[in-house]
Amino acid sequence: SQQGEEDPQALSIQEGENATMNCSYKTSINNLQWYRQNSGRGLVHLILIRSNEREKHSGRLRVTLDTSKKSSSLLITASRAADTASYFCATSNYGQNFVFGPGTRLSVLP
Amino acid sequence: ETGVTQTPRHLVMGMTNKKSLKCEQHLGHNAMYWYKQSAKKPLELMFVYNFKEQTENNSVPSRFSPECPNSSHLFLHLHTLQPEDSALYLCASSQDIDFAATYGYTFGSGTRLTVV
Repeated sequence: SQQGEEDPQALSIQEGENATMNCSYKTSINNLQWYRQNSGRGLVHLILIRSNEREKHSGRLRVTLDTSKKSSSLLITASRAADTASYFCATSNYGQNFVFGPGTRLSVLP
Repeated sequence: ETGVTQTPRHLVMGMTNKKSLKCEQHLGHNAMYWYKQSAKKPLELMFVYNFKEQTENNSVPSRFSPECPNSSHLFLHLHTLQPEDSALYLCASSQDIDFAATYGYTFGSGTRLTVV
């Protein structure tokens, strides 16, 4: 299975701190995406990184990809209470549907 | 709003009932998906439709029956469900199944289903 596995399962930080979540996967991929889910709601697409890319930025988000280690990290800088949510990585290979990991539950405390 | 609308938001049904979940997208996308999200489990892909044709049925029990009358609408018909089918059912869309790999999915807010 190419399923991603996020780590840690849960993370609590203070507002203003940085939050780092990791995703590991098992097989080759052509891209990896990160999504956010607020409690009981749908998922929101955050950022996509292709297998030939090593790092991407979007606002306070920074995603890295290390295909040799089959891992990705999502960094949220200067976190806010509104960043409290579950974060999922999703991986796919050519012609295949995305497979989501179990997610990291982030709590940002005011 | 994401452009993908799911109704109802909440549904409680008995095991002998028949109900339907509805998903509608206004994004001009051609691929639509049903996902199931249970507590403490990863999202499970159930069905995929691309240009109204079903391209994937991920070994879903027959008590779940999808219908895609056009590229903008997707239904999930439910009958004789079990309590373990209680979950958040999410609909998603993408330009098509190939473009999903480039631009990702757009999800609806989901239907919280409780089977009693």
